[in-house]
Order: sequence, then structure tokens, then C-alpha cells
Amino acid sequence: EPEVTQTPSHQVTQMGQEVILRCVPISNHLYFYWYRQILGQKVEFLVSFYNNEISEKSEIFDDQFSVERPDGSNFTLKIRSTKLEDSAMYFCASSDVLGGYSNQPQHFGDGTRLSIL
Amino acid sequence: RKEVEQDPGPFNVPEGATVAFNCTYSNSASQSFFWYRQDCRKEPKLLMSVYSSGNEDGRFTAQLNRASQYISLLIRDSKLSDSATYLCVVNLRGGGADGLTFGKGTHLIIQP
Repeated sequence: EPEVTQTPSHQVTQMGQEVILRCVPISNHLYFYWYRQILGQKVEFLVSFYNNEISEKSEIFDDQFSVERPDGSNFTLKIRSTKLEDSAMYFCASSDVLGGYSNQPQHFGDGTRLSIL
Repeated sequence: RKEVEQDPGPFNVPEGATVAFNCTYSNSASQSFFWYRQDCRKEPKLLMSVYSSGNEDGRFTAQLNRASQYISLLIRDSKLSDSATYLCVVNLRGGGADGLTFGKGTHLIIQP
């Protein structure tokens, strides 16, 4: 069964440094997403991406964050000047066309645990 | 009102029993509803989509009540492997590229 893959599985970074989290969505999917989950809290939406541009972003996704699809397979999340509160599990997800209207679910990768020291 | 609200539990249930969870959502225009399960420190995994007419997948039954804005999940003949956190997930705004809104999850423990 096709799956979303994420690298690295764990990233440890000093506060103030930049970090790039990488994702390979399911190959025939067109919508891509990033979520985060702070330890002990609920999963929170960050951003959605379609047709090489951001479709929607949450209040969490401020100027510190950016996303990119540098080639036909990778989807990246960049966090500039990381803060202690950025420590969380970051999940990438992808879905087939028109996720909301056709009830197509989003499929999640196994996440990158980001630890900011 | 919280966007997606669930009873956090934990629900401690003996193996073989039936257990049910409910979830409420805030936006009556929401179009898509799902139950995901999440094991400790793992990714959310789709359990089932929830359709307006209700749907069943083996031991799992999901129901949607649009008038009252709640979703339910019923697990019959529970197994030890059903122990997990069950996440109620809604596309609150109904758009194709919208992010999903997660509840905090209901923690289920199946006891032998």
C-alpha cells in the first residue's frame, strides 16, 4: 500500500537555527499538508498546498514557516530561527482530489520529532 | 464553543465488550468526517470515513447526526489491539484543500 514517507525521524536543533523537514507524499495525490502535535496535545493544522502554492494556512503558520515542492516528489517544511516552543511532532499528509467534497481522507506520514534545545 | 470536542476518557473496557464514543463539532456546514486512531507517539491512521447514512466496517460502526452536530463510533467485540486514542476529525469549512480539525482524542484501554 502506498504511503507518505518523512525524513528525518528525529531532528535535534539548537534554538535559532533553521531546520528543513522533508516529506514524500503518495505519488498520485495532489493535495499536501503539514500538521504538528505538541506532546500531550491535539494534532494542529499548519498549511495545505495545491498546484504549487499555499491553499490555506493556520494562525500557527507565520513568517517563520515556509513550504516548498522543489521537485516532483518532495514536499518540505522550513522553519527559520527555531524557538523552544517549536518542539513537536510534525506530520506530513496527502490526499487525492477534492478532499473535502468527496470525503477523501488525508493519509499521514509517521512524522518527524523535532527537538529544539 | 470548541471546534471538535471529545470526551478524553480513559475508557477502561473488558475484552469482548462494546464501547461507544461521541464527538461534537461546531460548524453545521462541515462536509467531511473521519475517525482516526493514534497509537502512542505514532501518526494518526485512518480508521474510517463517516457518511451521512452511517457506515460499518467489520466491528466498527460510525454514525453522523447533522442536526445535532455529532458523530459516533461504536466498537463491537473489542480486542486488546483496539487499545489506542481515537481521534474525531472534521473538515470544518468543507473546502477541498482545507486542513482537518482534530479533537483531542478519546483514550481507550481494553483490559484482558
